[in-house]
Amino acid sequence: AQSVTQLGSHVSVSEGALVLLRCNYSSSVPPYLFWYVQYPNQGLQLLLKYTSAATLVKGINGFEAEFKKSETSFHLTKPSAHMSDAAEYFCAVRGDGGFKTIFGAGTRLFVKA
Amino acid sequence: EAGVAQSPRYKIIEKRQSVAFWCNPISGHATLYWYQQILGQGPKLLIQFQNNGVVDDSQLPKDRFSAERLKGVDSTLKIQPAKLEDSAVYLCASSLLRGSTTDTQYFGPGTRLTVL
Repeated sequence: AQSVTQLGSHVSVSEGALVLLRCNYSSSVPPYLFWYVQYPNQGLQLLLKYTSAATLVKGINGFEAEFKKSETSFHLTKPSAHMSDAAEYFCAVRGDGGFKTIFGAGTRLFVKA
Repeated sequence: EAGVAQSPRYKIIEKRQSVAFWCNPISGHATLYWYQQILGQGPKLLIQFQNNGVVDDSQLPKDRFSAERLKGVDSTLKIQPAKLEDSAVYLCASSLLRGSTTDTQYFGPGTRLTVL
């Protein structure tokens, strides 16, 4: 069965610092991987997705993620954090069994001025 | 383009009462999803519709939860009777394509349910 593990329920960075949110997945078939962002009292918004093309995926708001099959990882990065990046981020996998998306528990990102 | 609409945004009920949530997906989207998001957890799929047929309801507690998508457009999720552990945000999402593993899901703002 597929699963997603997000390391760190909370991450705090200073404004302008590197953002690194970690995600490891488990899937018995080549996975499709997603990162979503959720702002308070809002639904989830897709940041980026990996669909077996380029292993380095660029998304919105300056975020990118790299698919590493050998490490079963899909970590999300942004070179320079902005206050507006403060939100909850979810990694998700889809692959086993067709179309069901499995979400990680989420990582809340805090950005300090 | 209008997004996914959900109502109500907030609902407070007592245990053993009934509640219903409504979702209107993006126009033309074939697939509709209902997720349950408990505080501190990621969303969990409850049910997935393709047009007005059910694709996956394996995690829907069918003894108390029901959902329908009449005419393949908007959808209603009902809980009867509610339990304390049903307190969560209920998210509706829709996607354009049929049967695509890479299709983007668009989420509504959710309904926050509190069961007292």
